[in-house]
Amino acid sequence: DGGITQSPKYLFRKEGQNVTLSCEQNLNHDAMYWYRQDPGQGLRLIYYSQIVNDFQKGDIAEGYSVSREKKESFPLTVTSAQKNPTAFYLCASSKNTYNEQFFGPGTRLTVL
Amino acid sequence: KNEVEQSPQNLTAQEGEFITINCSYSVGISALHWLQQHPGGGIVSLFMLSSGKKKHGRLIATINIQEKHSSLHITASHPRDSAVYICAVGVGETSGSRLTFGEGTQLTVNP
Repeated sequence: DGGITQSPKYLFRKEGQNVTLSCEQNLNHDAMYWYRQDPGQGLRLIYYSQIVNDFQKGDIAEGYSVSREKKESFPLTVTSAQKNPTAFYLCASSKNTYNEQFFGPGTRLTVL
Repeated sequence: KNEVEQSPQNLTAQEGEFITINCSYSVGISALHWLQQHPGGGIVSLFMLSSGKKKHGRLIATINIQEKHSSLHITASHPRDSAVYICAVGVGETSGSRLTFGEGTQLTVNP
């Protein structure tokens, strides 16, 4: 079945450590996105990529980094520079920037 | 002030009731999205529309571009409709990508 997978579902990390969240899609979509969701707030865009080997900062990119070496994969690294990393992270993809987005199941990151 | 405002924030209904969730936005848009988020966190895209009305099963979405307003209606509501409903808008050529999201409406449908 086609879809988007994110792993792991729950992730714990110690303060000061970098951590990488995985996002894979087999929908043959060109565009991929990373969002952060905090309680009581709308989703906020961290980074997005419209095509392989290219990506742009979203509204809250500070403390995060991404890569897009393959069409299917768009991993997100939460660095130690991110001051409040505890949140729910959602990955999405779309055929292009004019189409609806399909979302993964999310990764809940907790910094201890 | 958030560019996308949803109302109500919370809504409780009895099974079978007709439900309306509203979304107002303050900028010119090229498309508006309605999304559904289940308790586990997964999000499903329900509608993407730029004018008029769309229907899928018991769900109906309408948009009034002049008034910068959209509504999501659920007919014959059922407990399985309980979820958070999120409105999002896309601007310009990136109607699907750089979205601005509302905070969501928590819907609970009681049997």
